[in-house]
Amino acid sequence: GAGVSQSPSNKVTEKGKDVELRCDPISGHTALYWYRQRLGQGLEFLIYFQGNSAPDKSGLPSDRFSAERTGESVSTLTIQRTQQEDSAVYLCASSLPPGGAPRDTQYFGPGTRLTVL
Amino acid sequence: ELKVEQNPLFLSMQEGKNYTIYCNYSTTSDRLYWYRQDPGKSLESLFVLLSNGAVKQEGRLMASLDTKARLSTLHITAAVHDLSATYFCAVAATSGTYKYIFGTGTRLKVLA
Repeated sequence: GAGVSQSPSNKVTEKGKDVELRCDPISGHTALYWYRQRLGQGLEFLIYFQGNSAPDKSGLPSDRFSAERTGESVSTLTIQRTQQEDSAVYLCASSLPPGGAPRDTQYFGPGTRLTVL
Repeated sequence: ELKVEQNPLFLSMQEGKNYTIYCNYSTTSDRLYWYRQDPGKSLESLFVLLSNGAVKQEGRLMASLDTKARLSTLHITAAVHDLSATYFCAVAATSGTYKYIFGTGTRLKVLA
């Protein structure tokens, strides 16, 4: 079946502009995660959605970052007034409803490479 | 706050050799994952380890977990070039949560 998809695959923007990144999770996956991966580094947790529960936003680095999710489907990550330090690959992952591993194995999308000039 | 450390960060090894990658974490957790990332690609799940003493094997890779030592290892046996990738461990932040903290990754290069 289809995996996690993300769009756009690449985004180049100017400092100060807003950007919106999209994630389409695997059908039936109620859990959705956003991560940031800077060049040559590990993954930095940003936000987690699970069903209709309040999202865990504890990883968002500033109030310029926000994310929404429509039901149990598409999610968008919005970065306002982008800065050069926002340049990174933004990865989305989805998993089955949490209930113990390996159900919560995360399946990752290909990522969106964001470059802020 | 949970911290996850991997070592080494970089590993260059000859084909046919064995080596171990280490993942240490700072607080208790009830699950640990290993992922592989090929250059320019996304992450692929390799193993999930749930209990003390758990061992999983797939091909030339074997992962183990010691929850008392808060340590997981990924052992590579008779490395081949196709294993060249970056390997990440990921630990659930606290029991019952689904926020994962990733290690910094180990970039493995297997030389022919």
